[in-house]
Amino acid sequence: KAGVTQTPRYLIKTRGQQVTLSCSPISGHRSVSWYQQTPGQGLQFLFEYFSETQRNKGNFPGRFSGRQFSNSRSEMNVSTLELGDSALYLCASSPDTGPQNIQYFGAGTRLSVL
Amino acid sequence: AQSVAQPEDQVNVAEGNPLTVKCTYSVSGNPYLFWYVQYPNRGLQFLLKYITGDNLVKGSYGFEAEFNKSQTSFHLKKPSALVSDSALYFCAVRGGTYKYIFGTGTRLKVLA
Repeated sequence: KAGVTQTPRYLIKTRGQQVTLSCSPISGHRSVSWYQQTPGQGLQFLFEYFSETQRNKGNFPGRFSGRQFSNSRSEMNVSTLELGDSALYLCASSPDTGPQNIQYFGAGTRLSVL
Repeated sequence: AQSVAQPEDQVNVAEGNPLTVKCTYSVSGNPYLFWYVQYPNRGLQFLLKYITGDNLVKGSYGFEAEFNKSQTSFHLKKPSALVSDSALYFCAVRGGTYKYIFGTGTRLKVLA
């Protein structure tokens, strides 16, 4: 079974631009979560999607948005990029939203904002 | 509010010695507790979880974790460390809101 695939692996953008990151979950998984990882902050939860609906949301500004498609693939968008948005963005999938579920992570997209 | 604390940024241990990586949590309701490991340029990999039952949970690669309800802790342990265990370790909790809350991570360095 293929794992979680995130594209692209690396991105360089400038302040003010917008960016879209993509995540393909493990086949059969319907829940997709997004995290921002920065040194010292650890992983911070952005949002979780299940069956094309946002189920949970973290404490990030409205510039961060996401969506999920009918095939469970998910995209995350960041508009009006700021220098502080430079981070590793991780996507994780699980079969459903049950609290005991393990999350399976992709390798991440490293975003650098110049 | 849910929270997870990993009080040590880095833990150094000699190969062959036992290791402990600490985690404490705060959550309303019954906690679901997890440990994940991250190797360089990789995503996180699941190690073990506590849902209910035995306080000592066994996981992958010889790791185990001890759940202590009174101390609200879930420390990760291994009896004999390997150099290949060197990585970044994250504790996580899911509580009533079902959001995954991760700690800031502890870098484990096993010295040969």
